Amino acid sequence: SQQGEEDPQALSIQEGENATMNCSYKTSINNLQWYRQNSGRGLVHLILIRSNEREKHSGRLRVTLDTSKKSSSLLITASRAADTASYFCATTWGGGSEKLVFGKGTKLTVNP
Amino acid sequence: GAVVSQHPSWVICKSGTSVKIECRSLDFQATTMFWYRQFPKQSLMLMATSNEGSKATYEQGVEKDKFLINHASLTLSTLTVTSAHPEDSSFYICSARPGLGDGELFFGEGSRLTVL
Repeated sequence: SQQGEEDPQALSIQEGENATMNCSYKTSINNLQWYRQNSGRGLVHLILIRSNEREKHSGRLRVTLDTSKKSSSLLITASRAADTASYFCATTWGGGSEKLVFGKGTKLTVNP
Repeated sequence: GAVVSQHPSWVICKSGTSVKIECRSLDFQATTMFWYRQFPKQSLMLMATSNEGSKATYEQGVEKDKFLINHASLTLSTLTVTSAHPEDSSFYICSARPGLGDGELFFGEGSRLTVL
């Protein structure tokens, strides 16, 4: 299975702190994407990193990709209470597949 | 960004009835849409890929006759849960992307199905 595995499963921090979530996957990929889901809602795309990229930034988000270790990390800096949500990584891989396969997710709680 | 609308957002039905969930791309055309299922506090499980004008592609273990998918136009895909039972209760989410490729997906808000 291509499914990514995130860790930690749950993370609780104070507002202003940084939050780091990790994702591992099993085989080669075309790209890796991070999504956010508020409770009971749909998912929102955060950032996409391609297999030939090592790091990407978007606002307070920083994503790294290590294809040799088949892992990625999502860093949220200066967290806010509004960042409280579940975060999922998802991968696409070769063979013309457009499918996104999701990892198990990290539940982030940012305490005011 | 592109908008995907899903309806209904929640539905309660009796065991044995069928329920239809609609997924619409509001401002783009989608030849492909994806249907996911999510159990409480779990990840999204891809159920099937909906293809406009042709049969859907189901993931292993997903019952084709239980979950009927129709992609009749470039902006609409429907998922019908036939003869629903309590174990079909779940959160169903559709997604799509403009054009081809493997870029970001845009998700509907999801449909929570409760089968009594």
